[in-house]
Amino acid sequence: EADIYQTPRYLVIGTGKKITLECSQTMGHDKMYWYQQDPGMELHLIHYSYGVNSTEKGDLSSESTVSRIRTEHFPLTLESARPSHTSQYLCASTPAGPRNYGYTFGSGTRLTVV
Amino acid sequence: AQTVTQSQPEMSVQEAETVTLSCTYDTSESDYYLFWYKQPPSRQMILVIRQEAYKQQNATENRFSVNFQKAAKSFSLKISDSQLGDAAMYFCAYRELGGSARQLTFGSGTQLTVLP
Repeated sequence: EADIYQTPRYLVIGTGKKITLECSQTMGHDKMYWYQQDPGMELHLIHYSYGVNSTEKGDLSSESTVSRIRTEHFPLTLESARPSHTSQYLCASTPAGPRNYGYTFGSGTRLTVV
Repeated sequence: AQTVTQSQPEMSVQEAETVTLSCTYDTSESDYYLFWYKQPPSRQMILVIRQEAYKQQNATENRFSVNFQKAAKSFSLKISDSQLGDAAMYFCAYRELGGSARQLTFGSGTQLTVLP
């Protein structure tokens, strides 16, 4: 059973719509991440968070925004979706500390903008 | 910046045979972690195996083992007795130590097909 949950699993929306992809984890992890996974399957970090009220942009420029008001919740928002945003979005988390054991991933949200 | 390279975009193996997936990385650090993740089609990415750089012994998890060559910066994954359920995208990943939140660097992945 996953301890990190993403909703919705699949989403098809029209251009210009505002959407929020949800990500929640029950493990008390401080660090959370959003990855965009393109059709070639490569992962690109778009946002990450050290903890509550801390968010940073990742390696891949993204028009999305994130917030971290609670430890367990890390939603990603697109104010005006475009076909170029069509992709799979993966959320992940990991505990704080230098010696942890990698990330726990959610099941992903596959977004299609038409 | 650290980089992770998987030079095999696709691999195939016959059921019950052994296959090795390659991964190389570049870092100036002496202590770090390396991981292999598995992503089955339309399913969650899960951790397969991890290796701590300060440990010389290669990690093993049942049918999965690694060949960690620190000097060569190589970290290959061996899957023995391949099963149909092993078919997936496999990602090699590097993690630096320390307090930085931006920790995990992924390779571009290797798509493994298991032939019955």
